[in-house]
Amino acid sequence: DAEITQSPRHKITETGRQVTLACHQTWNHNNMFWYRQDLGHGLRLIHYSYGVQDTNKGEVSDGYSVSRSNTEDLPLTLESAASSQTSVYFCASSTSNTEAFFGQGTRLTVV
Amino acid sequence: QKEVEQDPGPLSVPEGAIVSLNCTYSNSAFQYFMWYRQYSRKGPELLMYTYSSGNKEDGRFTAQVDKSSKYISLFIRDSQPSDSATYLCAMGNDYKLSFGAGTTVTVRA
Repeated sequence: DAEITQSPRHKITETGRQVTLACHQTWNHNNMFWYRQDLGHGLRLIHYSYGVQDTNKGEVSDGYSVSRSNTEDLPLTLESAASSQTSVYFCASSTSNTEAFFGQGTRLTVV
Repeated sequence: QKEVEQDPGPLSVPEGAIVSLNCTYSNSAFQYFMWYRQYSRKGPELLMYTYSSGNKEDGRFTAQVDKSSKYISLFIRDSQPSDSATYLCAMGNDYKLSFGAGTTVTVRA
């Protein structure tokens, strides 16, 4: 079955370190998204991609970057982790204006 | 002001009750409207979606959209303990979604 997987599921890192969260989908979807979820804010869009070599900033993109070298993967990099980036991160993919499929999430703690 | 406003609750109802969830939005460009359900420590999963004003039913779930008032609702009839989850409204255009903060619902047996 097609799926979308995130790794790691849990990560603790130190302030100032570079961190990369992986997202891999086997749906062959063109569209991929990264969201963060915080209490009281719901899901906020960090970056998104509509295809290979395409990346775009979302509403909370500062301190994050993504790259899209193939259809299946959209890794999210925190250039220099900050305590404000402690959150649950969700990757999603879609092919149209209907359903976006979400991964199980990565719980990141920056200490 | 957020693009999408959703009462975070929490909401606690007895089994069998009707659950009513609402969202308002400010962006008139939104073309499609969705409700996602998220169980604890899981990713959101799509529950309902619609493109137009009016009602859409799927079993015990009814999604309602009023574009003129920029208001959407989700009703859950005959609620069950298994409906206990966080419900997020989402809406968008151009493949991007904007989410509400989510309402946590507990259905008591």
